[in-house]
Amino acid sequence: DQQVKQNSPSLSVQEGRISILNCDYTNSMFDYFLWYKKYPAEGPTFLISISSIKDKNEDGRFTVFLNKSAKHLSLHIVPSQPGDSAVYFCAATFGNEKLTFGTGTRLTIIP
Amino acid sequence: GAVVSQHPSRVICKSGTSVKIECRSLDFQATTMFWYRQFPKQSLMLMATSNEGSKATYEQGVEKDKFLINHASLTLSTLTVTSAHPEDSSFYICSAPWGGDPTDTQYFGPGTRLTVL
Repeated sequence: DQQVKQNSPSLSVQEGRISILNCDYTNSMFDYFLWYKKYPAEGPTFLISISSIKDKNEDGRFTVFLNKSAKHLSLHIVPSQPGDSAVYFCAATFGNEKLTFGTGTRLTIIP
Repeated sequence: GAVVSQHPSRVICKSGTSVKIECRSLDFQATTMFWYRQFPKQSLMLMATSNEGSKATYEQGVEKDKFLINHASLTLSTLTVTSAHPEDSSFYICSAPWGGDPTDTQYFGPGTRLTVL
């Protein structure tokens, strides 16, 4: 079963506006969450992460929010830039275990 | 249910032996599958692209003779770690694009934990 879900396969956002990518999870043991960005013909590269002891982590234009009670996390990109166009994967893990990935959301930034 | 499976989920082997890991797409066909290795701090390295009916494409620095990839059918790709050594111990994860476009969204397998003694 899909323990990590990204229900929107695609998202289009105007350049300069905010992009919000969502992710839901079901396994309450997950305590560390990550976002990866993937360009064509490349592997996913790490973008930003958040531990379950926090509800927000910010790195430049990227902010990840975690709502543990709702088992939901989101990635905010503001302002969105054309170079942000890519597929974004959320992933979750706990302890020293493997990553569990969502299926990804393709973000297209419209100039 | 899970749409990409991996077998085995965990394997322990002795140094010098070979280990085969299977990646299956369960309810869709995948002409392309990807193999990754998970490193500490959750970094993910793309090892190779598995292509049904042709040779795999390996990323720079990945030894193709050590990590043998065979895309036997439209639903199965295998990764064989030959002459495994303790430094090969890691999680190995596969993924397959479910929409047919290898640049698009993917289903990831549950991963295989390889421990080489």
